[in-house]
Amino acid sequence: KAGVTQTPRYLIKTRGQQVTLSCSPISGHRSVSWYQQTPGQGLQFLFEYFSETQRNKGNFPGRFSGRQFSNSRSEMNVSTLELGDSALYLCASSLGVPDTQYFGPGTRLTVL
Amino acid sequence: GEDVEQSLFLSVREGDSSVINCTYTDSSSTYLYWYKQEPGAGLQLLTYIFSNMDMKQDQRLTVLLNKKDKHLSLRIADTQTGDSAIYFCAVGIFTSGTYKYIFGTGTRLKVLA
Repeated sequence: KAGVTQTPRYLIKTRGQQVTLSCSPISGHRSVSWYQQTPGQGLQFLFEYFSETQRNKGNFPGRFSGRQFSNSRSEMNVSTLELGDSALYLCASSLGVPDTQYFGPGTRLTVL
Repeated sequence: GEDVEQSLFLSVREGDSSVINCTYTDSSSTYLYWYKQEPGAGLQLLTYIFSNMDMKQDQRLTVLLNKKDKHLSLRIADTQTGDSAIYFCAVGIFTSGTYKYIFGTGTRLKVLA
């Protein structure tokens, strides 16, 4: 069974731009969560989607948004990029909760 | 609030055992997890333990859970240079009607040849 895939793997953007990241969960998994990982803050939870509904949200500004499609694929959007948004963005999928999360390889976003 | 703490660094010699420790604050945890992250990669699930278990062994990995002290440990036997990575402890808890995964800050394991 294929693992969690994320595209693109690397992105370079400039301040003020917006970006969309994509995540395809493991087949059959309906829950998708997004995390931001930075050296200073560690792993920070962004949001979780289950069956196209956002069920849980972390403490991030409204510039960070997401959605989930009927095939469980998820996208995350960041508008008006700031330098501090440079991070590794990780997606994780699970059958549901409580259940084990499986992570993708991440998208490395650099904001210049 | 919920918190998971780990020491930042651990250095061991190849062939020795490594023990990575984790403490958490919320006693309503259901599952507790250990993940490994190699440079430039995502988190790889190593093992997990249900909160009603005390110990779980999986090849070179042994997980010990002390619910009274809210302490979780991961022991890696016969540590190899390929085990050098960051290890994350995570706990799953039900809170405010939702289920959340709380991650520790990660322990960087360095294995010396």
